[in-house]
Amino acid sequence: DTAVSQTPKYLVTQMGNDKSIKCEQNLGHDTMYWYKQDSKKFLKIMFSYNNKELIINETVPNRFSPKSPDKAHLNLHINSLELGDSAVYFCASSTSTGGGGETQYFGPGTRLLVL
Amino acid sequence: TQLLEQSPQFLSIQEGENLTVYCNSSSVFSSLQWYRQEPGEGPVLLVTVVTGGEVKKLKRLTFQFGDARKDSSLHITAAQPGDTGLYLCAGGPWDDYKLSFGAGTTVTVRA
Repeated sequence: DTAVSQTPKYLVTQMGNDKSIKCEQNLGHDTMYWYKQDSKKFLKIMFSYNNKELIINETVPNRFSPKSPDKAHLNLHINSLELGDSAVYFCASSTSTGGGGETQYFGPGTRLLVL
Repeated sequence: TQLLEQSPQFLSIQEGENLTVYCNSSSVFSSLQWYRQEPGEGPVLLVTVVTGGEVKKLKRLTFQFGDARKDSSLHITAAQPGDTGLYLCAGGPWDDYKLSFGAGTTVTVRA
């Protein structure tokens, strides 16, 4: 009964390739997020969707494109992968728009390595 | 510039010792959260503090929210190897619904 699941868990690919990461939550939450955690463990928000609408779009290269087919899914597509994209990508969800007081539930992460 | 500054960055102690992790900011937060992340996993919420001056206890963990709602601390009493992990504080200012994370404190408790 995984609350927030991500696939794949590991992704090793060559520079220049295009790849997608999928996320699903079965908590009935309205809001989903993508975070990037770098090698220094700093967790930085990339995108957030509330009921399939984009509400947070941080300064992220436009090679990254999120897609939310329904409020239980938020996928992340990355075009023309670069070495600097290597990181752990976490999907998360919360009951509303997050911020102060809202618990965010995280998936297990996708470890992306670009060679 | 990070909104939330955590210190120390790394902490290695012997089993049975106490430790304190600090989370500071120049911004006022509507609330502050503490998460723990174990290797290979995503962060898991430990506690949310919402009132200035609030103290919350979770077994051997004590969380405090500063009176001015700009800082927080996490104190672990008689640490055990199972407390090993990355501790992250996170908060959202009154005028911004985004959750910002500190850079984390990596705690290692040696048996």
